[in-house]
Amino acid sequence: ELKVEQNPLFLSMQEGKNYTIYCNYSTTSDRLYWYRQDPGKSLESLFVLLSNGAVKQEGRLMASLDTKARLSTLHITAAVHDLSATYFCAVDPLPTYGGATNKLIFGTGTLLAVQP
Amino acid sequence: KAGVTQTPRYLIKTRGQQVTLSCSPISGHRSVSWYQQTPGQGLQFLFEYFSETQRNKGNFPGRFSGRQFSNSRSEMNVSTLELGDSALYLCASSLRVVDRIIQETQYFGPGTRLLVL
Repeated sequence: ELKVEQNPLFLSMQEGKNYTIYCNYSTTSDRLYWYRQDPGKSLESLFVLLSNGAVKQEGRLMASLDTKARLSTLHITAAVHDLSATYFCAVDPLPTYGGATNKLIFGTGTLLAVQP
Repeated sequence: KAGVTQTPRYLIKTRGQQVTLSCSPISGHRSVSWYQQTPGQGLQFLFEYFSETQRNKGNFPGRFSGRQFSNSRSEMNVSTLELGDSALYLCASSLRVVDRIIQETQYFGPGTRLLVL
């Protein structure tokens, strides 16, 4: 059974600090996604990582993918209060026929609270 | 361009009833996926439709069904509602690929919040 594990589940950090959220998955995949969810809202796409070694950055967030280790990281630099949200990673398991399944398996989410 | 839209946004039903939720994908997107989000189980994949055909299905009972129309709009239906079906139902659309072409991410709609009493 495919499992996607995130840690930590909850992260309280001060503004200006750096931290990393980890996403481990248990099956072969070269497609990993990061989403953000604000309370009571839907999911906002942050990053799409489509190959081993992929690194993407947007503002204070940077995501990377290591398909050999089955690990993705979301690094937060100099956190600000506006980054407070729940962050999900999601994996699209490789189908036998190639391409993509569009069947995303989500991690448990990391609730990030940035304190002033 | 307009995003994914879902209707209704909120719904209250009683046990045993059935419900139909609607999703209109982003213009040009032909793949629609449905997810259920609950505090206990998190985000779980329900099914995916492409060109009016169900391509993938998650581990949900047969009470959960869906369909897709020729204009890519999709509906999901839950029959004989149970208390545990209370959840946020999210629809996502994307450009589906057949060969290994770089795939766009899935874009999520605002969701339908279903409460079963």
